[in-house]
Amino acid sequence: AQRVTQPEKLLSVFKGAPVELKCNYSYSGSPELFWYVQYSRQRLQLLLRHISRESIKGFTADLNKGETSFHLKKPFAQEEDSAMYYCALSGHGDNDMRFGAGTRLTVKP
Amino acid sequence: DVKVTQSSRYLVKRTGEKVFLECVQDMDHENMFWYRQDPGLGLRLIYFSYDVKMKEKGDIPEGYSVSREKKERFSLILESASTNQTSMYLCASTRTGSYTFGSGTRLTVV
Repeated sequence: AQRVTQPEKLLSVFKGAPVELKCNYSYSGSPELFWYVQYSRQRLQLLLRHISRESIKGFTADLNKGETSFHLKKPFAQEEDSAMYYCALSGHGDNDMRFGAGTRLTVKP
Repeated sequence: DVKVTQSSRYLVKRTGEKVFLECVQDMDHENMFWYRQDPGLGLRLIYFSYDVKMKEKGDIPEGYSVSREKKERFSLILESASTNQTSMYLCASTRTGSYTFGSGTRLTVV
């Protein structure tokens, strides 16, 4: 069974500080991992996916199969990064996706 | 350039009513999904469809059904609404890989 765990419901950092949002997963096959973001009053949107290995808005995430983790990181948080972040997983070749409970990030000035 | 449209942003329904939530996408995607979003629980998959007239149960299908008569439209049906179905409902679609989400329907059952 697929399971995604985001251990932190809330995370608060000051502007300019590094930020890491944790995500651990459980899946027996080959997973595809994603981070989605929801800004206030906006729809949920893709932030990044592990297979693209891109850096979006300064965020990066590395898939660690040994630790079954896909933590989201940014070296210098900005106030506009304040949002709800969801980690998500789908099986390779599958289209149904499972989401974590989400982490609300607040970046204080 | 809205690509996934949910017909209602807010709905208030009475217990026992039959409720239809509509979702339309214009990207010719095969796969469509219904999730409910609750604080502390994240997004939970209710039903999904990978083709017209095809449907699969997600993790929490009880109390819900779906209809996919046309490729672009995926409807979520609450046969007899209950207060524990008060939630934000999100529709999404994909061809393969990442999802495009609708803006959500906040349903309140009183």
